Amino acid sequence: DVKVTQSSRYLVKRTGEKVFLECVQDMDHENMFWYRQDPGLGLRLIYFSYDVKMKEKGDIPEGYSVSREKKERFSLILESASTNQTSMYLCASSLGASGYGYTFGSGTRLTVV
Amino acid sequence: DAKTTQPPSMDCAEGRAANLPCNHSTISGNEYVYWYRQIHSQGPQYIIHGLKNNETNEMASLIITEDRKSSTLILPHATLRDTAVYYCIVRSDSNYQLIWGAGTKLIIKP
Repeated sequence: DVKVTQSSRYLVKRTGEKVFLECVQDMDHENMFWYRQDPGLGLRLIYFSYDVKMKEKGDIPEGYSVSREKKERFSLILESASTNQTSMYLCASSLGASGYGYTFGSGTRLTVV
Repeated sequence: DAKTTQPPSMDCAEGRAANLPCNHSTISGNEYVYWYRQIHSQGPQYIIHGLKNNETNEMASLIITEDRKSSTLILPHATLRDTAVYYCIVRSDSNYQLIWGAGTKLIIKP
């Protein structure tokens, strides 16, 4: 089975801190994604990457950046955490663009205080 | 990508078939229908997808109408562990993104 592993299940950070969320997949998937999920707003795409060192903005990239130096790892960076970035963060990966499902990690619940 | 419409919630008795409808009346020819579910506090889980033909796997069956404007996900023998939010998504062949709606909260009752 494909596994997508997110480094932390729960995280508490202070306002203004730089925060790194790590995601690793073990099945050689080309595409990787970062979403956030908030009650009433559903899943919203932050950034995605379709190849090493490639990245594309999603719907809500402001306040975030990403890094993909290796195919299996996709990092989400909160440059200066703010309380409105308190959320559930979900990483996903997929094979190619067409006809394949996404595999999601278990999520990181981030609280910024 | 086309938008989808799903009922906000449904109940189903344990052991019965759960039929979850989805309308996607503006779907275009190259858009697939995907179904995912999300059990509380977990990441979404891929269930099944299809383009034109009905599909079946070990988890569920997907019935797509001939005009492709709607589909139904069928869980043949629902168990309590199938309680989750079910998302119906349409996505084009060339688009990396999934557009997530609010989904249907399915509650399986003993």
